[in-house]
Amino acid sequence: DTGVSQDPRHKITKRGQNVTFRCDPISEHNRLYWYRQTLGQGPEFLTYFQNEAQLEKSRLLSDRFSAERPKGSFSTLEIQRTEQGDSAMYLCASSSPGMTETQYFGPGTRLLVL
Amino acid sequence: AQSVSQHNHHVILSEAASLELGCNYSYGGTVNLFWYVQYPGQHLQLLLKYFSGDPLVKGIKGFEAEFIKSKFSFNLRKPSVQWSDTAEYFCAVTAPGGGADGLTFGKGTHLIIQP
Repeated sequence: DTGVSQDPRHKITKRGQNVTFRCDPISEHNRLYWYRQTLGQGPEFLTYFQNEAQLEKSRLLSDRFSAERPKGSFSTLEIQRTEQGDSAMYLCASSSPGMTETQYFGPGTRLLVL
Repeated sequence: AQSVSQHNHHVILSEAASLELGCNYSYGGTVNLFWYVQYPGQHLQLLLKYFSGDPLVKGIKGFEAEFIKSKFSFNLRKPSVQWSDTAEYFCAVTAPGGGADGLTFGKGTHLIIQP
């Protein structure tokens, strides 16, 4: 078990550029979640996948955000036309479904939009 | 909608002091409860969790939490803290089975332990 990994760990971009983040879940986990965390706040849910199906999206996820999990393994989160307000830590978590579901988090990707 | 309130945003203690961090949640149904910890420069790690049964749950590194259903609380405790407990602590809640809306987190408590 190598844990959840995320790439890149840090990203600096200019306003208006597109960025893409990758998350590799724990191998046997078929649920994958994306969260956003800003300074002084706890993580906030963005979206989640069960296998390759995206089952839920938060209202926080504007039209500029899109997430995919094409083969039910790794996932990507893309932000188009970035804005300064998108600056945050983007966290990925994975789990196995069940009544005692427990999510395990990756190290996050810290995005700074200039 | 679920919500989680952590009463103390910053706590400073001396080594060997006892710790209690408050967590209250708002949710109209059965919940699963979690405490996560984020040490400086590290990712969120699971400290302990409650699903059902004994309301007093024990986690890693000597931490424990008590679920009090009547008070909608899940306070975190440790009888004697160490300098290495300096970290950010997050309380989180979800419906059993997880899924929709994921985990709902509190804003976190930044704990500083002075040697």
